[in-house]
Order: sequence, then C-alpha cells, then structure tokens
Amino acid sequence: EAGVAQSPRYKIIEKRQSVAFWCNPISGHATLYWYQQILGQGPKLLIQFQNNGVVDDSQLPKDRFSAERLKGVDSTLKIQPAKLEDSAVYLCASSAGGAGPTDTQYFGPGTRLTVL
Amino acid sequence: DAKTTQPPSMDCAEGRAANLPCNHSTISGNEYVYWYRQIHSQGPQYIIHGLKNNETNEMASLIITEDRKSSTLILPHATLRDTAVYYCIVWYGDKLIFGTGTRLQVFP
Repeated sequence: EAGVAQSPRYKIIEKRQSVAFWCNPISGHATLYWYQQILGQGPKLLIQFQNNGVVDDSQLPKDRFSAERLKGVDSTLKIQPAKLEDSAVYLCASSAGGAGPTDTQYFGPGTRLTVL
Repeated sequence: DAKTTQPPSMDCAEGRAANLPCNHSTISGNEYVYWYRQIHSQGPQYIIHGLKNNETNEMASLIITEDRKSSTLILPHATLRDTAVYYCIVWYGDKLIFGTGTRLQVFP
C-alpha cells in the first residue's frame, strides 16, 4: 500500500514569510498527526486530527501556526509569519483508528523547512 | 517530557546482534512500550511494541523485564542499513512522546 505522502520535501523562506505544507495520509486512515522535529531532537506532536476534527492541538503555536483537514483526508499545515526558530522538519503521520496505544502511526518523509 | 532513558549512542558490528536498552522505571500498568527508528533524512519507522510479554516480528524482538521497568530491543543480525536513531517510547496518555533516542552505528 502507498505510504504517507508529503510535499514539498524542502522549503527555504525568509523570516516573516508564510509557508504551507501538504500531507496525504494512508488511504482509509482516520487519524492524522503533524509533528515538528528540530535538529538533534525527537519529533514533537503539534496537532492531531481524527477524521476532520481536532483531537489535540495543545502544542501548536496558534498565533502563527494553523492546520486543517478538510473532508477528513488530506491536511495542510501553515506557518504565518515564520520565525527563525521554526526551522525544522515537519512530519506527517497517520494511523488507522482512534489514536489508542495499539494504533500504530506511520510517518511520511517530512518537509525540511529553513527560515533565513 | 519523555518517560524513557536511553544511551545516546551505540556501535555494533555487521552480522552481530544489536541490543538496545531502555529504562522506563515510571511506566504504568496499562502503558505500552513502543520502538521506532529514524534513518537519516527519513520519517520515523515503526518497529515493534509490547505491553507485558516479549514480542517478536520480522524486524526485531522486544524483551520487557518482569517488573516492566526496562526493555531491550534486539536486532538479531544487524546490517549497515540498520544504522539509525532508535527511539524507545512509553505510550503516554493518548500521544507518542519522543526522547532523543539512541544513535546506532553498524560498522563493517
């Protein structure tokens, strides 16, 4: 089966510009996650959707980050305006069910963002 | 914060078993232990998970101590392609919380 798809793979922007990332989860997966991974650290969850509803966005900097998952399939993550500290890899993951402890998450390749 | 402790790095000779330890002394009775790995420039890849019993799949074996305070991931015959960062994660509430993992270097 096809894995989680993300685009673009790389993005370079100036600070204060805006940027958007796209994710297409594994077909039929109800739950979708966005993670931020700063160099040298493990991924950190930003937001979690179940179908098209937000389950957890407690770690999302809502003054500049937004995310949506229209129709419960694809998702976009936006940053506006970007700051230097937003330089990171943004990972999308999906899981089949309701994000319980036996529900394996499958990750995409990530988008590497560099903010200059 | 991550609820696990792992050594920052380990080496292993190709063809030998790689044994990656993880301490999770504060684990609760219904919390699972998950292992993921991340090869350079790729997203994390699921390896295995367990609750109380030892588990084995086509990639690895997971040995959990009887008191559940620690576990070991075993790659039985490491190859150069197993060079990666390995994350041990205790399922905390309803989310995965990654630490900094163990960087495993497999050498020829």
